[in-house]
Amino acid sequence: SQKIEQNSEALNIQEGKTATLTCNYTNYSPAYLQWYRQDPGRGPVFLLLIRENEKEKRKERLKVTFDTTLKQSLFHITASQPADSATYLCALIQSGGGNKLTFGTGTQLKVEL
Amino acid sequence: GAVVSQHPSWVICKSGTSVKIECRSLDFQATTMFWYRQFPKQSLMLMATSNEGSKATYEQGVEKDKFLINHASLTLSTLTVTSAHPEDSSFYICSAALGAGPPTDTQYFGPGTRLTVL
Repeated sequence: SQKIEQNSEALNIQEGKTATLTCNYTNYSPAYLQWYRQDPGRGPVFLLLIRENEKEKRKERLKVTFDTTLKQSLFHITASQPADSATYLCALIQSGGGNKLTFGTGTQLKVEL
Repeated sequence: GAVVSQHPSWVICKSGTSVKIECRSLDFQATTMFWYRQFPKQSLMLMATSNEGSKATYEQGVEKDKFLINHASLTLSTLTVTSAHPEDSSFYICSAALGAGPPTDTQYFGPGTRLTVL
């Protein structure tokens, strides 16, 4: 069966450290993978998109890697701040799937002072 | 730019009644709008995709007669939950995309509507 798995347990880190979140998928052939941030009671906000033929993408303090052999994407936040505390969702766009997004369950990140 | 609004932000209704949720793209024209549902601690599940002026495409397992979607203009889509029951209580989120593709078109999400059916 198809699955998109993210760490269900919350990730707690200290301010200033690098947060690393994982997204693993099974039985998908994603052409694109996106990462979103979701705050409680709010809709997701787009952060980064990475294509299947890209290994890494960066935007300010954010970095995404995409390994289609391991079927995994890693999302890094460097120099983390308490304001980065939120739930982070990965979402796949399947090859030939138009622009239809399939989301993972998300990982809650808490950055502590 | 690229702001999507939803109304209402929350609604409480009695079982058996119908509820309409509006999704508007405020500063751009959205050819395609998507409706998602999110239960607590779960991922967003796509319910349907709607294109302006045509019938919505529903995902497997979503009852089209229960969740009526109308995309009457390039800036407005509505979701009507008909004869709502407590199991329909959820967080409903819409998103809007500038075009029907390519897949790199960013989807802009609304703030969501919390529906509680008593």
